[in-house]
Amino acid sequence: GAVVSQHPSWVICKSGTSVKIECRSLDFQATTMFWYRQFPKQSLMLMATSNEGSKATYEQGVEKDKFLINHASLTLSTLTVTSAHPEDSSFYICSVRGNSGNTIYFGEGSWLTVV
Amino acid sequence: AQSVAQPEDQVNVAEGNPLTVKCTYSVSGNPYLFWYVQYPNRGLQFLLKYITGDNLVKGSYGFEAEFNKSQTSFHLKKPSALVSDSALYFCAVRDGKADKLIFGTGTRLQVFP
Repeated sequence: GAVVSQHPSWVICKSGTSVKIECRSLDFQATTMFWYRQFPKQSLMLMATSNEGSKATYEQGVEKDKFLINHASLTLSTLTVTSAHPEDSSFYICSVRGNSGNTIYFGEGSWLTVV
Repeated sequence: AQSVAQPEDQVNVAEGNPLTVKCTYSVSGNPYLFWYVQYPNRGLQFLLKYITGDNLVKGSYGFEAEFNKSQTSFHLKKPSALVSDSALYFCAVRDGKADKLIFGTGTRLQVFP
């Protein structure tokens, strides 16, 4: 069964609005979650590492004020795309490191379309 | 810096034939290597990993991969391809000291009946 759950799977929002994507670890507690972004026909790019109870660590070039990450509990991390623009339209995927520490599991992803 | 290369954008193979999807890596420490598969509009599914031990790793759906340290490669293989194997395959590396995965650009596998 699924190890990581993302919601929503699909979302369409108007330009200038904010949208929140949730990532839940279903099988174990996760102190660390990862957020990736994937453009069509391209690879995954790590956006940030979400740390439970502390600030997220953003990759170079990712605007932390635009992509707000909150990791308030050991099973939930949220990514909020603020003041969305059409160029933010993308496939966003979260991942969780398993209990063994070596395998990283991915959610089903969330398609964001900004119109 | 860690990096992963998947030199083929697409691999075409007839059903029943063996398949190979290539991956080479570059890391500063001991490599933790992974293969994931992505079906259209879906997230990534874990196939297999190499952490240590036997160089030949067996994973899900009949896939296997061989770790070759001298060639810094971790090619994905399957003895007999199925049409249902058609998907996008990603190789990834995780530095032993870091948490994050670095992905290759992906290889689209097309299996023809």
